[in-house]
Amino acid sequence: EAQVTQNPRYLITVTGKKLTVTCSQNMNHEYMSWYRQDPGLGLRQIYYSMNVEVTDKGDVPEGYKVSRKEKRNFPLILESPSPNQTSLYFCASSLSPGTGYSNQPQHFGDGTRLSIL
Amino acid sequence: QKEVEQDPGPLSVPEGAIVSLNCTYSNSAFQYFMWYRQYSRKGPELLMYTYSSGNKEDGRFTAQVDKSSKYISLFIRDSQPSDSATYLCAMSGSGGGADGLTFGKGTHLIIQP
Repeated sequence: EAQVTQNPRYLITVTGKKLTVTCSQNMNHEYMSWYRQDPGLGLRQIYYSMNVEVTDKGDVPEGYKVSRKEKRNFPLILESPSPNQTSLYFCASSLSPGTGYSNQPQHFGDGTRLSIL
Repeated sequence: QKEVEQDPGPLSVPEGAIVSLNCTYSNSAFQYFMWYRQYSRKGPELLMYTYSSGNKEDGRFTAQVDKSSKYISLFIRDSQPSDSATYLCAMSGSGGGADGLTFGKGTHLIIQP
């Protein structure tokens, strides 16, 4: 089954304690992306990756890091989490940017709800 | 400019009614238009995907795009309680660049049995 898998699904942690949210896709997609979803603000892109070792900032990258060492994995790293990063996070993937990645529909994981105390 | 406007609702209609969901946008460079459905505690799932202006039908769902008015719609016929969800519109430009998808904030739809 084609899917985007995120872990953990839920996490409560404290300010300053480094955490990583993993994302893996089994569709051989080149493009992957992280979003956060907040009430009243909708989905906002944090970082995206157009291929292995190629990453770039989205609309709200501050406080986040990503890496893309393998095509299937795109972890989101919070080096020093703060309460304003409490949110619902989604990873998404889509087909090759060579065909114009932004015209390829994105497939989403089921989300990771982070609470930073 | 990446603004997309979408009424958050909630929109509550009786089962069997025709539902109309809408988004307006300001960026004339948008060419690809999508509708996603998001159930509680789940990720958005793609419902409809259209390019440029026109209509597209898939079962009970019809997507319309009017680029001249910068207005897109999703119609749901014979609505069912299982259609209760948040519906997100999304759009993007001509591709190849770094501008990803721009989402509306979503409309919460409730279908009353």
